[in-house]
Amino acid sequence: DADVTQTPRNRITKTGKRIMLECSQTKGHDRMYWYRQDPGLGLRLIYYSFDVKDINKGEISDGYSVSRQAQAKFSLSLESAIPNQTALYFCATSYGLAGELFFGEGSRLTVL
Amino acid sequence: GENVEQHPSTLSVQEGDSAVIKCTYSDSASNYFPWYKQELGKGPQLIIDIRSNVGEKKDQRIAVTLNKTAKHFSLHITETQPEDSAVYFCAARTQYSGGGADGLTFGKGTHLIIQP
Repeated sequence: DADVTQTPRNRITKTGKRIMLECSQTKGHDRMYWYRQDPGLGLRLIYYSFDVKDINKGEISDGYSVSRQAQAKFSLSLESAIPNQTALYFCATSYGLAGELFFGEGSRLTVL
Repeated sequence: GENVEQHPSTLSVQEGDSAVIKCTYSDSASNYFPWYKQELGKGPQLIIDIRSNVGEKKDQRIAVTLNKTAKHFSLHITETQPEDSAVYFCAARTQYSGGGADGLTFGKGTHLIIQP
């Protein structure tokens, strides 16, 4: 089983709908992240969390919110999805001050 | 903030030849430079990294070089094989970040194609 699991893996929705992407990890890491990947734009940080009571905005947080329900769970919400939020979303984890990120397999979101 | 430029965006090489991907960064305070490999349908995975107190690091067919004066670093893959086909991302982390992965800025990626 994957150490970092994202659900759903694929989702098609309509403009204005609320969407939640979920991430769970079995690595025991304290830090969790949500990234967005667009063709030709690389990986951009949306939100990150150092522990259950800590939430921080990344480079592109507008239009998104997150919840850290437990050390192992970090969800990303789009309150009212719009077409330019169509992208591949990755959850990642890391441990303490170590720099290595461990990514999930991604959630592909299409907003029509 | 940090800005990371990565070139080329696509690189096609013959199997067995070498491949070089280059990145430049803007913040002279950056001190950690990882490289990630993303295979089709998967998340990126760390393949090698280098810190600012080292000029070169090797791991079998993969090497990374760092030139702090010029603010650029490169990934070198020798004797390329079909399984090297993937998208590669460079990244840089400023020392003024929290010290973890939150301070990473990624390049836009290079699609490496190994021709048989």
